[in-house]
Amino acid sequence: DTEVTQTPKHLVMGMTNKKSLKCEQHMGHRAMYWYKQKAKKPPELMFVYSYEKLSINESVPSRFSPECPNSSLLNLHLHALQPEDSALYLCASSLRQGAESNYGYTFGSGTRLTVV
Amino acid sequence: AQKITQTQPGMFVQEKEAVTLDCTYDTSDQSYGLFWYKQPSSGEMIFLIYQGSYDEQNATEGRYSLNFQKARKSTNLVISASQLGDSAMYFCAMRDPPTSGNTPLVFGKGTRLSVIA
Repeated sequence: DTEVTQTPKHLVMGMTNKKSLKCEQHMGHRAMYWYKQKAKKPPELMFVYSYEKLSINESVPSRFSPECPNSSLLNLHLHALQPEDSALYLCASSLRQGAESNYGYTFGSGTRLTVV
Repeated sequence: AQKITQTQPGMFVQEKEAVTLDCTYDTSDQSYGLFWYKQPSSGEMIFLIYQGSYDEQNATEGRYSLNFQKARKSTNLVISASQLGDSAMYFCAMRDPPTSGNTPLVFGKGTRLSVIA
């Protein structure tokens, strides 16, 4: 099992729904990330949290709202999504943002989101 | 700005044979980290192997090894004795050091490897 846990694994939502994706890690990592991955494409960075503060927001539409309640949890709140937002959403963590380069990421299994 | 290039959209290899997946990168930094990840159909990104820009020896991890050529800015992944379970998408990725500020992992487009029995 991965050390980064994402729930739910699958989500189908309508364009008027509000839902949240959750990510949890207990490795003591202080940097957490959200990536979006469309089919047959590489992951694209959405948000970076470092020490529970948002440090990077890659011009993601406001219908995606990240939240980092504490160092172990990372949420992604979804509201009024479009069908093109359907993708695999991956959460990752690393020991800390700005650490030596060999601190790679630990990824969760992802949430497969379908917007109908 | 970083750039990772994987020129092989798909590769086939016979079971028990070795295969090389290509990756070139472009960066103006002298210090950086290079990573390979495996992504099976389940979606999870699995870390395979890391190479630091100042590492003098090629990294090895079990059946995985890197052919790191810094002057050519390439870091090719070699998988020896391929197994059916190696069939997956493989991503090359790079991360700059902390002196560059916030530098998240950046991925290449990936190579889909299919192992044939």
